Amino acid sequence: TQLLEQSPQFLSIQEGENLTVYCNSSSVFSSLQWYRQEPGEGPVLLVTVVTGGEVKKLKRLTFQFGDARKDSSLHITAAQPGDTGLYLCAGADTGKLIFGQGTTLQVKP
Amino acid sequence: GAVVSQHPSRVICKSGTSVKIECRSLDFQATTMFWYRQFPKQSLMLMATSNEGSKATYEQGVEKDKFLINHASLTLSTLTVTSAHPEDSSFYICSARDEEQFFGPGTRLTVL
Repeated sequence: TQLLEQSPQFLSIQEGENLTVYCNSSSVFSSLQWYRQEPGEGPVLLVTVVTGGEVKKLKRLTFQFGDARKDSSLHITAAQPGDTGLYLCAGADTGKLIFGQGTTLQVKP
Repeated sequence: GAVVSQHPSRVICKSGTSVKIECRSLDFQATTMFWYRQFPKQSLMLMATSNEGSKATYEQGVEKDKFLINHASLTLSTLTVTSAHPEDSSFYICSARDEEQFFGPGTRLTVL
């Protein structure tokens, strides 16, 4: 069974600070997705990375896929209270998504 | 992006009763849908893969006789929690796969 280790699990920071969330596995994934989830709602897709070494930017969010396609990171620059939520990485495994444990981010004004 | 709906959004039931949750893909046809369960402050755990016209594939540790899945059409999958107990209280989320997976808004089940 493929596993995704996500860290940190909880993060509380002040507005304006930068942060990085990591998603690591010993297995290779064909693609990796990052989601953001608000309480009481379903996850919303932020980005999909497919190619080893790929870097994608979404405004203040930067996503990287490791060269070996086993790990990924999400970096948020100048975090804002609106970034508060649960961030989930998920790896594609034979059509299924395997989710990491999630990172609960709280950005204080 | 594609839209996936779930109904109901919230349900409260008594212990021992059965509850049916619907998952619909509104603007695309999905031969495959997935059902997840999420406990508070935890990640999504895949319960089963629902295949249109065939039996669902359950993940290890998920009781198929307790969580009945029916995928009768290309736009509808249902999850029935049979003889629900308080420990079944959770947030149930479905997803439907087009070129990527799109998630429904979830159903909060509370079993008293």
